[in-house]
Amino acid sequence: QSALTQPASVSGSPGQSITISCTGTSNDVGRYNYVSWYQQHPGKAPKVMIYDVNNRPSGVSNRFSGSKSGNTASLTISGLQAEDEADYYCSSYTITTSWVFGGGTKLTVV
Amino acid sequence: QLQLQESGPGLVKPSETLSLICTVSGGSISSKSYYWAWIRQPPGKGLEWIGSIYYTGDTYYSPSLKSRVTISVDLPYNQFSLRLTSVTAADTALYYCARHGNPGYCTGGYCYGGRGDFDNWGQGTLVTVSS
Repeated sequence: QSALTQPASVSGSPGQSITISCTGTSNDVGRYNYVSWYQQHPGKAPKVMIYDVNNRPSGVSNRFSGSKSGNTASLTISGLQAEDEADYYCSSYTITTSWVFGGGTKLTVV
Repeated sequence: QLQLQESGPGLVKPSETLSLICTVSGGSISSKSYYWAWIRQPPGKGLEWIGSIYYTGDTYYSPSLKSRVTISVDLPYNQFSLRLTSVTAADTALYYCARHGNPGYCTGGYCYGGRGDFDNWGQGTLVTVSS
């Protein structure tokens, strides 16, 4: 299966909001609500920030939110902070009982 | 607190077999609510799902790696393992083991009552394929 499509990079200033998109197909993002988002700082393992489209795990800031429309999911980070600078990946379950990740988006807080 | 720890050789020769073990502590690998997965990340690149296993031994593999991958589970040792055959330099990566939710009841191309995220990860182990 093909990787989900994410922008290679996004940037924002402290306090601003940014949105990262994740585009798939009707066989993955568009079909299942099993879309999740991961934050990865350099040298660290990924950490789930959003699961099942719009749910936040315990301990994750409410500045992080998720949504989905059709074949595209989105991660929004409001009130940007320097610590949010990281790589972000989306993931989805697929119709072939497999999982697929997006190519990743580098968030820069300028 | 659940912890996952990868272990195995850090260097594998081309055409040989890569073998890794993931040891789970702080929780049972026999939980009906979760699957156990291998994910890799080539240096400087993105994440790639390799495959997953349920405690019953049911496995699901990436279509692109299916012909070379075997994932197995060892319930008494609370471990699961990865074997990747005929490796090349393209298999050089940081290999993670992780836990993900059970997608639930799936029928007619839809799933219900499950959860779909990788909620616990190991720290990763770098495997380099080189002679």
